[in-house]
Amino acid sequence: GNSVTQMEGPVTLSEEAFLTINCTYTATGYPSLFWYVQYPGEGLQLLLKATKADDKGSNKGFEATYRKETTSFHLEKGSVQVSDSAVYFCALSEGSNTGKLIFGQGTTLQVKP
Amino acid sequence: NAGVTQTPKFQVLKTGQSMTLQCAQDMNHNSMYWYRQDPGMGLRLIYYSASEGTTDKGEVPNGYNVSRLNKREFSLRLESAAPSQTSVYFCASSEGGSPLHFGNGTRLTVT
Repeated sequence: GNSVTQMEGPVTLSEEAFLTINCTYTATGYPSLFWYVQYPGEGLQLLLKATKADDKGSNKGFEATYRKETTSFHLEKGSVQVSDSAVYFCALSEGSNTGKLIFGQGTTLQVKP
Repeated sequence: NAGVTQTPKFQVLKTGQSMTLQCAQDMNHNSMYWYRQDPGMGLRLIYYSASEGTTDKGEVPNGYNVSRLNKREFSLRLESAAPSQTSVYFCASSEGGSPLHFGNGTRLTVT
């Protein structure tokens, strides 16, 4: 079946460091791919998405490119801030229902001043 | 603008007790979802409702029932709680191809 695998956390970085969180997926067909972020005590919020191969999603300085050849959707940011500390989830949608998501296990990011 | 509201925020149950988790959204979305979040496992879909009057099983439906009461409300019921149901439960809604809007979660502990 479909699945999403994220790099193990936690990831600890200093402010202004470069961030990469790896995400790979297994899916039949052509799923849409998402990154969601969860701040402490809150629900998840959509960070960015890509709906087809080679699309790049971007938001708030974060980027991810849908790579069909490597089945990957790695999240990157050039310069992280303390306020980026959160849990990041990679996810894919099954079929046309973009609410039925398969999530990765989540990666905790801690940014220190 | 409340978005998706879940009640209660916290709950402790004894094994065998029942309870209903409530969810309401004010965005006029057709689709609603219940997910559970467990450490190291991400979120997993329990049940969803594509529209008022319909419900379908997700990945982990065993031990749960749902009711789509009207377009705004989608409740999740545990008839006989088990320790394996200790989790954080999230309700979410969406419309068409829009991304999910999540509530802030209900943290449930079953002892």
